[in-house]
Amino acid sequence: AAGVIQSPRHLIKEKRETATLKCYPIPRHDTVYWYQQGPGQDPQFLISFYEKMQSDKGSIPDRFSAQQFSDYHSELNMSSLELGDSALYFCASSLRNSGRTQYFGPGTRLLVL
Amino acid sequence: DAKTTQPPSMDCAEGRAANLPCNHSTISGNEYVYWYRQIHSQGPQYIIHGLKNNETNEMASLIITEDRKSSTLILPHATLRDTAVYYCIVRVTYNQGGKLIFGQGTELSVKP
Repeated sequence: AAGVIQSPRHLIKEKRETATLKCYPIPRHDTVYWYQQGPGQDPQFLISFYEKMQSDKGSIPDRFSAQQFSDYHSELNMSSLELGDSALYFCASSLRNSGRTQYFGPGTRLLVL
Repeated sequence: DAKTTQPPSMDCAEGRAANLPCNHSTISGNEYVYWYRQIHSQGPQYIIHGLKNNETNEMASLIITEDRKSSTLILPHATLRDTAVYYCIVRVTYNQGGKLIFGQGTELSVKP
């Protein structure tokens, strides 16, 4: 079965640079979620979108923004990167009318130097 | 969303059943119990969820107490590949946001 696709899988950036992470949900899923997992920590919810509209917001820094496009894929844009942004970034998708069980992608590992 | 409490770590012998407990004493009537696991640095993997009744799928069984204040995830025949952090999460499914709040989780080590 098709799964959530995330790209790139690994990313190395310098401080103050920008990064864009992409997420392609499972086909027909209409909701996308972004999570951040720092070293040794549990995943933390950042933001979610349903039908291209932001549906919930967590502890996402103001330097980060995200959107969902008409084909339901989503992009997480990160600017003025800091060392503390080094983390795993997971995207998950769900179908609103099917219990909203979230299925996660493999993640993007971001390293800020 | 209700808070959950899980033991930080557990060991299990390969081939034996792994029983992972979770306390969620403040769960509301419309909140489901979800279980996910995360194998080292991989994306969290959905296992099973339930509301009131016990549930079983190809991966595991979920036993929910009658008062819904606790539950147990059962892996019937644990293998080395089941070594992971297991998260018990309670949430409302019809909530428009539907975010998952990950707690500490239980680090399960399956040993030969």
